[in-house]
Amino acid sequence: NAGVMQNPRHLVRRRGQEARLRCSPMKGHSHVYWYRQLPEEGLKFMVYLQKENIIDESGMPKERFSAEFPKEGPSILRIQQVVRGDSAAYFCASSPAGGPENIQYFGAGTRLSVL
Amino acid sequence: RKEVEQDPGPFNVPEGATVAFNCTYSNSASQSFFWYRQDCRKEPKLLMSVYSSGNEDGRFTAQLNRASQYISLLIRDSKLSDSATYLCAVNRGATNKLIFGTGTLLAVQP
Repeated sequence: NAGVMQNPRHLVRRRGQEARLRCSPMKGHSHVYWYRQLPEEGLKFMVYLQKENIIDESGMPKERFSAEFPKEGPSILRIQQVVRGDSAAYFCASSPAGGPENIQYFGAGTRLSVL
Repeated sequence: RKEVEQDPGPFNVPEGATVAFNCTYSNSASQSFFWYRQDCRKEPKLLMSVYSSGNEDGRFTAQLNRASQYISLLIRDSKLSDSATYLCAVNRGATNKLIFGTGTLLAVQP
């Protein structure tokens, strides 16, 4: 009964490169959320997706960031032309349904370091 | 003003102590409430959901006060293993996103 799986666990990129973070939700879960945790700060919502649909991307920076959750395969958070300020822990969560009472379960996160 | 606010701590308590954390939220449309625990450099893990009637799980008790817009977490008989950051989270329900407080750091001393 695997939980939310994220990979890679650690990712090092140089400024200007692209970062791709992957998230496979828990079995039976079709709702995926991405959160970012900057050093010494709280978790900030980025985007909420269902299969093939972006439901809420109000927390995504306007440029360089995109997310998808295709019909087959994991959800991907893509950061183009990374900058040092993108260094953070990126957590993915999933839930079985979309109501507010549904618990979101978190993956172990991807720690992005931009050199 | 942040939508969800917590005292950052740290709370340094001896083993066996009782400790209480509060969290306030500003949006009265908030629908569901949670406490998560986060160990250093790990993911948040759900501790408990919070209901108006209050709920208890072993040494942990959570309470919601909608009129005053705060939630609380009480830990009785603290253990060394309780040392962690405790995050409160609020779901406004419109699009399911969780709004987190910045967390309260608890350090239980031997």
